[in-house]
Amino acid sequence: NAGVMQNPRHLVRRRGQEARLRCSPMKGHSHVYWYRQLPEEGLKFMVYLQKENIIDESGMPKERFSAEFPKEGPSILRIQQVVRGDSAAYFCASSPGDSLAFFGPGTRLTVL
Amino acid sequence: DAKTTQPTSMDCAEGRAANLPCNHSTISGNEYVYWYRQIHSQGPQYIIHGLKNNETNEMASLIITEDRKSSTLILPHATLRDTAVYYCIVRPMTTDSWGKLQFGAGTQVVVTP
Repeated sequence: NAGVMQNPRHLVRRRGQEARLRCSPMKGHSHVYWYRQLPEEGLKFMVYLQKENIIDESGMPKERFSAEFPKEGPSILRIQQVVRGDSAAYFCASSPGDSLAFFGPGTRLTVL
Repeated sequence: DAKTTQPTSMDCAEGRAANLPCNHSTISGNEYVYWYRQIHSQGPQYIIHGLKNNETNEMASLIITEDRKSSTLILPHATLRDTAVYYCIVRPMTTDSWGKLQFGAGTQVVVTP
C-alpha cells in the first residue's frame, strides 16, 4: 500500500507565475489536509478537504491560494501569482476519516 | 496559542534512552496526546498517541501522568536515525478531522555517536 504521494518534489517558479502542487492520498483515504512550513518555522495547517468539498480552510491565505479535491484524481493546491514569501515546503496528509493521518514527503517550492 | 510546551532541544547518546517531556496543563478530558516527528526535509511521521494509559509500540513508549498535565515520550534505544524534531500535540477525540493538527516548535533531538 503506497503512502501519500506528492509531486513534484521540488518546484521552481518565478514571481508572478502559478504553482500547482499535487497530492495523491493513500488508498482508501478520502480526507486530505494541506500544511505549509516556512523556512525555519513549524508546520501550519492550511486546508482540510474531503472529496469535492472544502471542509475547513481556516488556515488558507485569503488571496491567491486555492485547493481542490475532485472526485477523480489528486488533490491540488494552487498558488497564483507567486511571491518570494511563498517559498516553503508544502505537505499534505491523508486519513480515512476515522483514524490517523499520514503525511507525504512534501513539495519544496522556490520562488525566484 | 500553544497547548503544549516542550524543551527547544536535547541531546542523546546513541544506544541510550531518550526521554522527551511535554507539558499540556490545559488538556481537556476528551483530548488525546499525539507525538509526531520530522526528520530533516521529510514529512512528519506518526509515532504514538494516548489518552490516559501508558502506551507502547515498536517505535516508542508514551507515559502520561495521572493528572494528564504532562507526558514523556521514550525512545528506548536511540539511534542516529532518530535525530529529528519531535512534536507533542493534543487533539480532541470527538472530531473527524484527524489530520488537523496544531504543531508547535517541537524539540530538536540530536543523537550523537
